[in-house]
Amino acid sequence: SYEVTQPPSVSVSPGQTATITCSGNKLGEKTSCWYQQRPGQSPLLVIYENTKRPSGIPDRFSGSNSGNTATLTISGTQAMDEADYYCQTWDSSTAVFGGGTTLIVL
Amino acid sequence: EVHLVESGGGLVQPGGSLRLSCVASGFSFSNYWMYWVRQAPGKALVWVSRINSDGSITRYADSVKGRFTISRDNAKNTLFLQMNSLRVDDTAVYYCVRGEGTSQTFDIWGHGTKVTVSS
Repeated sequence: SYEVTQPPSVSVSPGQTATITCSGNKLGEKTSCWYQQRPGQSPLLVIYENTKRPSGIPDRFSGSNSGNTATLTISGTQAMDEADYYCQTWDSSTAVFGGGTTLIVL
Repeated sequence: EVHLVESGGGLVQPGGSLRLSCVASGFSFSNYWMYWVRQAPGKALVWVSRINSDGSITRYADSVKGRFTISRDNAKNTLFLQMNSLRVDDTAVYYCVRGEGTSQTFDIWGHGTKVTVSS
């Protein structure tokens, strides 16, 4: 079965740029999404169709997907961005989630 | 405002059954494919099942195939998940999720309902 891999954690200083990767075989040929999940809350869509932001999501969130890697970039990271982030794609009509990355803002 | 509200979770013994419900509001429920996604304590999100807009096509993760049944009542704007032969590793928060567009983005999530399978 298809798998995507994320780093367990990423640390960033406030105001700096955070980069979270999601790796999978030929992932760039698929469509990827990113979800933010704060502790005790439901996941929230932050990026869809590789690069698009839903309404209400700040423009400091951006996404890309090429080759074997999808990337979520958070520019000017704020303390409120500290959360778990999950990438997700589709393979054979099955949704596949990454293992999640905890973004630590310190 | 768009809402998904799950219910039906609880504590059940291994081998038991539960039926989860999800009531949708604020959108045309019958136009959307719907999903269940679960999250075990401290673990990642895992896709469980999907159903198309009229309920005629369903699909399941291998881990639940033959034990879980997804269904919907479009007249009542309600999604269901019948869970039988429950196992300890089914313990999780179960989220009801809306799929949007041709890429089936998970754009709306419920608050989740907790299922604990334990003796």
